[in-house]
Amino acid sequence: DAGVIQSPRHEVTEMGQEVTLRCKPISGHNSLFWYRQTMMRGLELLIYFNNNVPIDDSGMPEDRFSAKMPNASFSTLKIQPSEPRDSAVYFCASSQGGPWGYTFGSGTRLTVV
Amino acid sequence: GENVEQHPSTLSVQEGDSAVIKCTYSDSASNYFPWYKQELGKRPQLIIDIRSNVGEKKDQRIAVTLNKTAKHFSLHITETQPEDSAVYFCAGLLNDYKLSFGAGTTVTVRA
Repeated sequence: DAGVIQSPRHEVTEMGQEVTLRCKPISGHNSLFWYRQTMMRGLELLIYFNNNVPIDDSGMPEDRFSAKMPNASFSTLKIQPSEPRDSAVYFCASSQGGPWGYTFGSGTRLTVV
Repeated sequence: GENVEQHPSTLSVQEGDSAVIKCTYSDSASNYFPWYKQELGKRPQLIIDIRSNVGEKKDQRIAVTLNKTAKHFSLHITETQPEDSAVYFCAGLLNDYKLSFGAGTTVTVRA
């Protein structure tokens, strides 16, 4: 298994532009999580999907952030418009159910200039 | 909600010595406590976890202990090696799916 696959690995964009981050969970995992990691705030859960349905989006910071999971093998996190304070590493993680044995993807390092 | 505090924030040990990281949690209903290791520029990886019906769990040089009464749990690394240098995160289960992560401990093993 290739693990959780995220793309791109690095993204540099100008303020105001739309950014789309992508994630392919491990096959058979029905739980998917998007996390943001910064020095100041550590690891923060943004949104949690179970069986492709958003269950908890209370961590999504603003309306500029949106996430979708159109099928079991793909999810996107979109920021529109992006701002410099969105600069962070965004991780996708998946599991077979709940928090047990999370597997994180390699992350997307986003820099908004 | 769950609040997980982690200490120390940095830890430097001589190769071969032991390293101990401690975490406390606030929600007595929490019943699952994983530990993640994150090497520089890489993803967090689960290294060991413990559930509240167990007081201690060991995997080679790594062990985790849990004190439910005091609401704290610890990671113990024995015979440290340079490849143990990383940031370690503890976490506590907030509800059925949500983990609350500690702020992390940067461990440096000196050769």
